[in-house]
Amino acid sequence: DIQMTQSPSSLPASLGDRVTITCRASQDIGNYLRWFQQKPGKSPRLMIYGATNLAAGVPSRFSGSRSGSDYSLTISSLESEDMADYYCLQSKESPYTFGAGTKLELK
Amino acid sequence: QVKLLQSGAALVKPGASVKMSCKASGYTFTDYWVSWVKQSHGKSLEWIGEIYPNSGATNFNEKFKGKATLTVDKSTSTAYMELSRLTSEDSAIYYCTRALMGWGQGVMVTVSS
Repeated sequence: DIQMTQSPSSLPASLGDRVTITCRASQDIGNYLRWFQQKPGKSPRLMIYGATNLAAGVPSRFSGSRSGSDYSLTISSLESEDMADYYCLQSKESPYTFGAGTKLELK
Repeated sequence: QVKLLQSGAALVKPGASVKMSCKASGYTFTDYWVSWVKQSHGKSLEWIGEIYPNSGATNFNEKFKGKATLTVDKSTSTAYMELSRLTSEDSAIYYCTRALMGWGQGVMVTVSS
């Protein structure tokens, strides 16, 4: 199975900060990488697909990038509504696998 | 818009089975794979498997083979997942998704005697 190593597990940050979350794939997944946001008691919400494409309705402060087997989600200027858990997902090969998650919280 | 409406929470006894539903609307049900995802309390997400409503073809995570059964009813645009021989390890929230994009609201399953 493809392992997705996500870091950090917890990210304290201040409003207005630029923050980056990273996932490293254990095998080549091309651009079959998605990012999800999950708030407490809610379902995950697709933020980024195809590693770099913004999903519909997602604010432009969110962006995705790729460098080799490292995939990143960046929020350019953190807002209070961005406090949530974030997960990456590889959909290149079954079984599709998620990262362990990053809890983004206020410092 | 795309909606996936899942059935309500379930409290089931160890060793029993549970069947949950996921009713799709706002898109052509037969055009997209429906995946099911497990989220144990406070933990990450696990992909269980997927079904293609048009043909009934399925793919499973090996971990969930024998545990989960996926079916669809094309006439009502509804996908189903049945979990069998339940243990406390199966207590979790289960989500259906349209091709791992849009998600249902989740079903909380609690396994307890």
